[in-house]
Amino acid sequence: ETGVTQTPRHLVMGMTNKKSLKCEQHLGHNAMYWYKQSAKKPLELMFVYSLEERVENNSVPSRFSPECPNSSHLFLHLHTLQPEDSALYLCASSQDHQGTKTQYFGPGTRLLVL
Amino acid sequence: AQSVAQPEDQVNVAEGNPLTVKCTYSVSGNPYLFWYVQYPNRGLQFLLKYITGDNLVKGSYGFEAEFNKSQTSFHLKKPSALVSDSALYFCAVRAPNNFNKFYFGSGTKLNVKP
Repeated sequence: ETGVTQTPRHLVMGMTNKKSLKCEQHLGHNAMYWYKQSAKKPLELMFVYSLEERVENNSVPSRFSPECPNSSHLFLHLHTLQPEDSALYLCASSQDHQGTKTQYFGPGTRLLVL
Repeated sequence: AQSVAQPEDQVNVAEGNPLTVKCTYSVSGNPYLFWYVQYPNRGLQFLLKYITGDNLVKGSYGFEAEFNKSQTSFHLKKPSALVSDSALYFCAVRAPNNFNKFYFGSGTKLNVKP
């Protein structure tokens, strides 16, 4: 349960604010992910990092900016968001980004954009 | 085209009865298939996965799933449901030719009543 942590757990921000979401994994994994979970929609994979290099960007708007300073930490920088960006943002990690590896998820950050 | 379908938004079952949560997929080749469970205000927890080998996969908490290639299905099952199994269940598929594409279904809410 504590293998992947996310802070903050809840965030309310205005459309002109700048904020950052933080994810930390304590599992010794080399791959990290950001997902967006909106109500009644499938999870959307946003970004994939492998050994601190971004390997996937699924057409995510530029108002979301990821950063992976090392294999244990992943950030999602937010600026000029829209109300439709309100969602649960989940971080995950896996041993590597190969298809057979299980992803382990953090508890998520519940984001509300006003 | 949607790569993973969970046709039921909600499944209701009485405690002690068997349960099935359905999942079908549409990716080419031999997919990697996963089931995750999400409890309220928590991140996703891994239940089981199919990579290769025996079509019947056993996972955590007494759950199992059967890979059926001809029907492109990976239904989640449990012989005897518990009230504590009530949660949101997600099926996911990873394309074997592109590990960075990881698709989740929209989720099925399982309600187990005493």
